[in-house]
Amino acid sequence: RKEVEQDPGPFNVPEGATVAFNCTYSNSASQSFFWYRQDCRKEPKLLMSVYSSGNEDGRFTAQLNRASQYISLLIRDSKLSDSATYLCAVNDPTGTASKLTFGTGTRLQVTL
Amino acid sequence: EAEVAQSPRYKITEKSQAVAFWCDPISGHATLYWYRQILGQGPELLVQFQDESVVDDSQLPKDRFSAERLKGVDSTLKIQPAELGDSAMYLCASSLLETQYFGPGTRLLVL
Repeated sequence: RKEVEQDPGPFNVPEGATVAFNCTYSNSASQSFFWYRQDCRKEPKLLMSVYSSGNEDGRFTAQLNRASQYISLLIRDSKLSDSATYLCAVNDPTGTASKLTFGTGTRLQVTL
Repeated sequence: EAEVAQSPRYKITEKSQAVAFWCDPISGHATLYWYRQILGQGPELLVQFQDESVVDDSQLPKDRFSAERLKGVDSTLKIQPAELGDSAMYLCASSLLETQYFGPGTRLLVL
């Protein structure tokens, strides 16, 4: 089993739709979780950290489910500009505290 | 807003040649990371520095790759000799605590 797994997609959704991605992780000792957005041929940009209590930033909501070992990202009212690849990152507790393992990313395409 | 700087942005080289990438982290960030990202995959950590010390280079192909951060600020990643399979995006990131911020990357093409 991979340490961090994501459905590569693509998820094709119309503008205005709500879409959700999950990311599963294998090490129950992981403590820090992040979602990054990556546009084609660009660097990953931090979208949001994922807290135990869940967190929301505008149209984006991130949640953590420790029992089932996954994090989720919900995007409401999708915009064309949300089209990108969404990478999840999980800290690797076997390494240094700040070492992250990334998933392969989920590609989102928002259409008219 | 402070950013991680990388150069060059693009590099084309022939196999068996040497290449070098440079990274300047966000000021004050003690931790610096080099990642390799192959198309369609997530970034894979090559080496992590805490100040000038290497804290993780378990995934660095040490027969051809080397990295240094002599003064604990900017860093250089070198590949010698380059191989066709090294074609990828090389990303540098830095962090103060846990959150990592990425530079624009160097896209390497080995012919």
